[in-house]
Amino acid sequence: SAVISQKPSRDICQRGTSLTIQCQVDSQVTMMFWYRQQPGQSLTLIATANQGSEATYESGFVIDKFPISRPNLTFSTLTVSNMSPEDSSIYLCSVEAFSGRAIETQYFGPGTRLLVL
Amino acid sequence: TQLLEQSPQFLSIQEGENLTVYCNSSSVFSSLQWYRQEPGEGPVLLVTVVTGGEVKKLKRLTFQFGDARKDSSLHITAAQPGDTGLYLCAGAITGTASKLTFGTGTRLQVTL
Repeated sequence: SAVISQKPSRDICQRGTSLTIQCQVDSQVTMMFWYRQQPGQSLTLIATANQGSEATYESGFVIDKFPISRPNLTFSTLTVSNMSPEDSSIYLCSVEAFSGRAIETQYFGPGTRLLVL
Repeated sequence: TQLLEQSPQFLSIQEGENLTVYCNSSSVFSSLQWYRQEPGEGPVLLVTVVTGGEVKKLKRLTFQFGDARKDSSLHITAAQPGDTGLYLCAGAITGTASKLTFGTGTRLQVTL
């Protein structure tokens, strides 16, 4: 498993501003992911954060709106740019690690709760 | 398009009752995970199943992966208030290593 921390844990922001969310893992991992969870909803994958190269975005998400950095194997950031109230969500970082029987699975950070006014 | 449908969406039961949550898809998964998420926290992994027909038990929780690896179920025996939370299934689709598709979620409330 892996221990994952996120900063900030929550924030209230004004529309038009940007917020950068940090994700720190206690061990080196190859795969890191960013998800969005809108109120009362399930998780939607935003992008895969690739170390040393540009992130891979899912349909409906673009780099200009959600720029991602991955400077090393234990850290990543997600920026929510030019925010609007529709961006109010929980943003979750996850990493892929091996559970028992060498099965790849994902472990999640505690999330960042964002409210845009 | 949501590939994994969970049912029921909401469930409110009393302590001591049994329940089953279903996770269904038309896609084949190489593995399937179940998570529980409590308010204010990230999802916590409960189990990973990888073999068609596999049954795993975690105390009062029993997880089953369908023979065709397209569906799964979670059965809770004698539910307790501590079981309250959002239950999410998530599948890794064969051929797309690492990416998880999450189910629609089942919100469970267990009252005294």
